[in-house]
Amino acid sequence: NAGVTQTPKFQVLKTGQSMTLQCAQDMNHNSMYWYRQDPGMGLRLIYYSASEGTTDKGEVPNGYNVSRLNKREFSLRLESAAPSQTSVYFCASSTKFHTGVEQYFGPGTRLTVT
Amino acid sequence: GESVGLHLPTLSVQEGDNSIINCAYSNSASDYFIWYKQESGKGPQFIIDIRSNMDKRQGQRVTVLLNKTVKHLSLQIAATQPGDSAVYFCAENYGGATNKLIFGTGTLLAVQP
Repeated sequence: NAGVTQTPKFQVLKTGQSMTLQCAQDMNHNSMYWYRQDPGMGLRLIYYSASEGTTDKGEVPNGYNVSRLNKREFSLRLESAAPSQTSVYFCASSTKFHTGVEQYFGPGTRLTVT
Repeated sequence: GESVGLHLPTLSVQEGDNSIINCAYSNSASDYFIWYKQESGKGPQFIIDIRSNMDKRQGQRVTVLLNKTVKHLSLQIAATQPGDSAVYFCAENYGGATNKLIFGTGTLLAVQP
């Protein structure tokens, strides 16, 4: 099992460009999440998908969109990148969307917006 | 302990010593807590969890203590090894049925050989 995989590992964008971050999990998990991690701050939830076919906003959704393509894949799209979106992005998954269930994280995508 | 500043608090220990990393959580209704380890350039890795109906839970070389009275969580690592060097942060679940975690900012554990 590869667990949670993310592509790309690194990306540099100019302000206004768009891109999609890809995430896939091979653990047959129902729930998937996108977080961003900034220096001096804890991980913050951008969007989540409690189950296939559903998506909901997290704590910091502005400037992002998501697609739960199928049970395995959950993508994060930046339509018009801004310098404030420079961050490390992590995808995670869990067996279900319920308290007490461990979330498994991918290796992250380091995004720089100039 | 946790910090909201730009610089992570650092705990420096000698190899073989025990380490204690602290975390103050925010919501008295939180019912589930996790400790994660994050090595440089990698994603967070689960270490141990504890539910609010417990005060202590032990894993392999790690122990988590929960003090609900003062909303405090600690991670104890026995016989700390160089491979334990990483950022450690706690996460709390705000309660209810949803798996939305609130993460602390982390503590850098530096193990000196």
